[in-house]
Amino acid sequence: EVQLVESGGGLVQPGGSLRLSCAASGFTFSYYSMNWVRQAPGKGLEWVSYISSSSRTIYYADSVKGRFTISRDNAKNSLYLQMNSLRDEDTAVYYCARVTWGRDQWPVDDWGQGTLVTVSS
Amino acid sequence: QSALTQPASVSGSPGQSITISCTGTSSDVGGYNYVSWYQQLPGKAPKFMIYDVSERPSGVSNRFSGSKSGNTASLTISGLQAEDEADYYCTSYTGSSTFTVVFGGGTKLTVL
Repeated sequence: EVQLVESGGGLVQPGGSLRLSCAASGFTFSYYSMNWVRQAPGKGLEWVSYISSSSRTIYYADSVKGRFTISRDNAKNSLYLQMNSLRDEDTAVYYCARVTWGRDQWPVDDWGQGTLVTVSS
Repeated sequence: QSALTQPASVSGSPGQSITISCTGTSSDVGGYNYVSWYQQLPGKAPKFMIYDVSERPSGVSNRFSGSKSGNTASLTISGLQAEDEADYYCTSYTGSSTFTVVFGGGTKLTVL
């Protein structure tokens, strides 16, 4: 069974930093590209970032470019999102999501349960 | 890239069929057959329901179907059931050379 478990969320002040992790199991993590998607409280979904299976290709949404860094460690079956210079508008549940088999970037099929990031003073 | 336009809410009675629209532009929905749909139950992660406009992943009920005409994609749920009550999101992907993923604002489906 595919499992994606996010961690690392919490309360942080504006301008602060946070590192999210996503532990993957139940599939060969190194074969799959991954994405981060977020959802502000009571709002819709927003794509945040993409990383290919080899880490060779990375993309960011304009709203986080220059502040967030996606990475992965295939040996540890883990995906990461380093978030710097956090703003109030970054407050959201952050989901890691796996790209469906046979596709390189999108769509995603399996999602974690999400981790809540709250940016507030 | 602007969000895709979905109705804020739709409703239907058990057994009925409903359709949720997702309107974009020729640069996203209309230009590519890469529309996907996700179902999100309250407090849960999204679930993958439709991809490539009309394809269903394994395990998804055939009561769910997708289509597209011009710049508007649609999700139809037939034989509405109480457990279908959820938020539904469409997405459009523009392909590997440009990589843009845009979501719709979401539609709340109420089963009366």
